[in-house]
Amino acid sequence: KQEVTQIPAALSVPEGENLVLNCSFTDSAIYNLQWFRQDPGKGLTSLLLIQSSQREQTSGRLNASLDKSSGRSTLYIAASQPGDSATYLCAVLADSNYQLIWGAGTKLIIKP
Amino acid sequence: EAQVTQNPRYLITVTGKKLTVTCSQNMNHEYMSWYRQDPGLGLRQIYYSMNVEVTDKGDVPEGYKVSRKEKRNFPLILESPSPNQTSLYFCASRTMGGQETQYFGPGTRLLVL
Repeated sequence: KQEVTQIPAALSVPEGENLVLNCSFTDSAIYNLQWFRQDPGKGLTSLLLIQSSQREQTSGRLNASLDKSSGRSTLYIAASQPGDSATYLCAVLADSNYQLIWGAGTKLIIKP
Repeated sequence: EAQVTQNPRYLITVTGKKLTVTCSQNMNHEYMSWYRQDPGLGLRQIYYSMNVEVTDKGDVPEGYKVSRKEKRNFPLILESPSPNQTSLYFCASRTMGGQETQYFGPGTRLLVL
């Protein structure tokens, strides 16, 4: 059964730093991996989607990588800003049943 | 504008009083689903639908019902709500092919007294 793990559960860094969030999954048979952002009490917003055949995707200051063979993805945030403070979730679209399997998220706090 | 809408956004009710949370999407997506989100438990899928009249249970379906009579709508029904169904609920939709991301509604915060 596919399991998705995100480490760390929480992270606090000073403004301006570059940072990496981690996501690991147990079964490499995936269609894609997605990163989402959630602000407190709000809905989820898609950040990046990496297809299983891709190695990385970039959007502005965000870069997500995918290594299927090792079951890992990273979300790199450059030059962090207080507005980046949120919970970041990764999810994999499982190959067998079209379900999104979710990690528990990393709560990120960027200190001004 | 592509969007998923949910109503109501906030709801306070009492145990046993039937309620329906509506969900609608304007993107012609085949796949729709309902999640609940609780502190420490993350997102858990309640039900999903891969097309009209096709629904299936997710991880936590007990106490919930859904229907998919039209492609755009996927209501969540709580026939007899209980306090343990107090939660934040999200509706979501996407295409079936896995080429596009999943779109989420803004959430419905439910309190069952």
